[in-house]
Amino acid sequence: AQSVTQPDIHITVSEGASLELRCNYSYGATPYLFWYVQSPGQGLQLLLKYFSGDTLVQGIKGFEAEFKRSQSSFNLRKPSVHWSDAAEYFCAVGAREYGNKLVFGAGTILRVKS
Amino acid sequence: DVKVTQSSRYLVKRTGEKVFLECVQDMDHENMFWYRQDPGLGLRLIYFSYDVKMKEKGDIPEGYSVSREKKERFSLILESASTNQTSMYLCASSRGGISDTQYFGPGTRLTVL
Repeated sequence: AQSVTQPDIHITVSEGASLELRCNYSYGATPYLFWYVQSPGQGLQLLLKYFSGDTLVQGIKGFEAEFKRSQSSFNLRKPSVHWSDAAEYFCAVGAREYGNKLVFGAGTILRVKS
Repeated sequence: DVKVTQSSRYLVKRTGEKVFLECVQDMDHENMFWYRQDPGLGLRLIYFSYDVKMKEKGDIPEGYSVSREKKERFSLILESASTNQTSMYLCASSRGGISDTQYFGPGTRLTVL
């Protein structure tokens, strides 16, 4: 069965510091990988996605993520965090074999301290 | 810009009531989805639809049903609401394939008393 693990429930970083949010998946197929962000009181917004090609993908708001097949990981990074990045971040995985469905991780809540 | 709207931001219902949650998208998307979001559990798929009058069960369909009579509208129905259905409900739509972005509505916070 497909599953997605986000090991960190909460992360606190200082404004201006770098950020890495972890995502590990368990899939028997070639995965389609997504990172979404949910700001307080908002719906989810796509940050970036990967399904083929260069394993380092760039997204909106200065975020990037790297697909590492050998580690079954798709970690999200940002070199310098801004206070407005405080939100909940979700990793999601899909595969053609499972139709158009995505499986979401439990989410990581990011707090930014000034 | 894609817009997904949900009929209510907050809803309070009593146990046993029939509850309708409505979702409308304005981009002619084929796929529509209903999720529930609970702290520590992330988003879990309840039902999705890939065409008018077509639906498939997600991971947690028990206690829910759906209706898609028009392409732009996807309704989630709680036949007899229970307290364990208190949650945030998110609707999403996407154009077609697995690689297409899902666009989310703002959510409905449902409380069942």
